Amino acid sequence: AQTVTQSQPEMSVQEAETVTLSCTYDTSESNYYLFWYKQPPSRQMILVIRQEAYKQQNATENRFSVNFQKAAKSFSLKISDSQLGDTAMYFCAFRIIQGAQKLVFGQGTRLTINP
Amino acid sequence: DGGITQSPKYLFRKEGQNVTLSCEQNLNHDAMYWYRQDPGQGLRLIYYSQIVNDFQKGDIAEGYSVSREKKESFPLTVTSAQKNPTAFYLCASSALVWGYTFGSGTRLTVV
Repeated sequence: AQTVTQSQPEMSVQEAETVTLSCTYDTSESNYYLFWYKQPPSRQMILVIRQEAYKQQNATENRFSVNFQKAAKSFSLKISDSQLGDTAMYFCAFRIIQGAQKLVFGQGTRLTINP
Repeated sequence: DGGITQSPKYLFRKEGQNVTLSCEQNLNHDAMYWYRQDPGQGLRLIYYSQIVNDFQKGDIAEGYSVSREKKESFPLTVTSAQKNPTAFYLCASSALVWGYTFGSGTRLTVV
C-alpha cells in the first residue's frame, strides 16, 4: 500500500519569504505521479503542481517548484516570494499510473503567510 | 463551463437517519471518487467508480453506500451505520490521464 507523510503540521513565514514544505512517500511502484494541492479557507481543492516520476527534471509553476528525489522518495514544495493568498492547507498526494488511479493524500501542512 | 457540482453545501443529519450527498459532473470523466476530510487529517477515500454500474470500496467504506447509474452522477449515502459522520465530504472526477477535478464539498453535521 502507498502512504504519504507530511511531517510539518503547521508552518508560518513572513510575506515575501521563501518556504519549503516537506513530503515523503512509500511505494513499491516505479511509475506514478506526485501532486501538491492547496486548500484555502474556502475549502476548494486547487492543484498547485504535479510531477511525473519518470521525469528527472523538477516541475515548476511560476513561484512554485518541487524538489523531487525519487531514490529518497521525497517530494518537497518550495514557494518563493510568498504572498498572503498562499495561506492555506497544502496536501501532498500520490497516484500510481496503472489501475484505479486513486489519489493517496498526506495529512496536510497548514501554511500561514504573515504580513 | 465544465465542472463538478456538489450539493447541498451544508447538511444536517439526525441520529439514525440516512442522508444522501449529491455529486454531478459534466466533464465526461469516467472515474469518480468520494473522500472524507476530518480536522487535522488528510483526505481519506470512501468509494470510487471507474465506469458506470461499477464501484469499489476505498479505505473507509463502512457506513457508506454509493451508486453509479449514470456517468455524470455519483451520489453518496451516509447510513445510520456510520457512527461518526460529521465531516467534510469531497467528490472528485478524473479522465484516464492524471488530473483530478474536485467539487466544492459538503459539510455534514450530526444534530
